[in-house]
Order: sequence, then structure tokens, then C-alpha cells
Amino acid sequence: DQQVKQNSPSLSVQEGRISILNCDYTNSMFDYFLWYKKYPAEGPTFLISISSIKDKNEDGRFTVFLNKSAKHLSLHIVPSQPGDSAVYFCAASDSGTSYGKLTFGQGTILTVHP
Amino acid sequence: DTGVSQDPRHKITKRGQNVTFRCDPISEHNRLYWYRQTLGQGPEFLTYFQNEAQLEKSRLLSDRFSAERPKGSFSTLEIQRTEQGDSAMYLCASGGRGDQPQHFGDGTRLSIL
Repeated sequence: DQQVKQNSPSLSVQEGRISILNCDYTNSMFDYFLWYKKYPAEGPTFLISISSIKDKNEDGRFTVFLNKSAKHLSLHIVPSQPGDSAVYFCAASDSGTSYGKLTFGQGTILTVHP
Repeated sequence: DTGVSQDPRHKITKRGQNVTFRCDPISEHNRLYWYRQTLGQGPEFLTYFQNEAQLEKSRLLSDRFSAERPKGSFSTLEIQRTEQGDSAMYLCASGGRGDQPQHFGDGTRLSIL
């Protein structure tokens, strides 16, 4: 059972525009969420996180929104840059922190065109 | 480089052989995780250590898999009698305080001939 789903395998945007990556989850025990970025031949790199007590967290060009009632989160990147082209994974934890296991989605390939 | 280090980066072996991977976490991190990633999927949790104690194991970790972290520093993941389905990227991550994210290494890619 896929408890964390990223239904869009890929997304293509123009440089300077907004990229919106979506993630849905089914497990109501999840209370801490993270986004990771992965380049080829490298491990995932942490981008941003959000606790279930918040509905928004912002860090520079990256903003994560959490809608608990819909069990949905999204990552907004604005403005998008060609260097943002990578695979993006959302991940969830049920410990309120990054302790314990993370459950990942399948990933979305983001391509930002110059 | 003070990041998570994994060795080897790539392992090619014949079906039925045993393999062992090593992970060196960020030095001040007491938590260490193993994940497996197959093509087109996100990382899947395998097991997790707090210092030398193995706290959780996934059902994905069959009897052929074993992980150790004997002194609470580096960890090894061993797969015995490898099968074709074991071909994957094996990722290690480490973590410090709970409000800090897990940091991943670049992984060991296992290819079974």
C-alpha cells in the first residue's frame, strides 16, 4: 500500500515561473513532512520540512503548504531555476520529528527550461 | 567532507553470493538508517539504529539481510545469498536531533548478474 503518493511523474516549467509539486498521503498518523531533492548519482538532499501543527513553512524560494483535512501537501518553488531540475521526493514521519522511519513518495521529475 | 559516506559506490556480484556494505554517518549523529531504492520508486525504509541499538526493522528485511552498528559509529548491511530482486540502490542516512532532517549518503548500487 502506497501511503505517500506523488501522482505526477514529471513536471516541466519555464525558468522564472512557479513550480508546484504535489503529494498526497493516506496515513492520518503522519505528523511531520519533508521534501528532498535528488540529482543523478547522488543521495537525496533535504530541502524543507513542515510539522502538522503548521500549514505553511517558507525558506527562500521554497514554500511547503500542508492541508491536513485533505491529507495533501505541496512544494512551491518560485522563481524556478534550471539548477532546480532534479527528482523531488516528499516524505512523511509519524513521530512528530525526523526520528524513526520516513515513508517516501515515488518522486516527481522536475525540468526547468531556460 | 563531513557528510554521510558509503562504500562501495557500486557492487556487481553473481546471484547467490554474499555482499556487505558500509556506512559512516556524520560524526555527531547518533541515529543511522538504511533504505533501499528501486528504479522509479522512492527510498523504502529497511532499518534504524539509535547508537548501537537496532530499534526498528522493516518487513522488507528478510532473513537474508542483517545490519549491525557495533560501536554506535559506522554500520554494515549484509545480504546473504543474493537474488535478482536485491538489485537496487542502498542508501544510508544519519540524523542528530529530532528537529534536524535525515542526511543521506550517495548510496551503494548493487547489481546482481
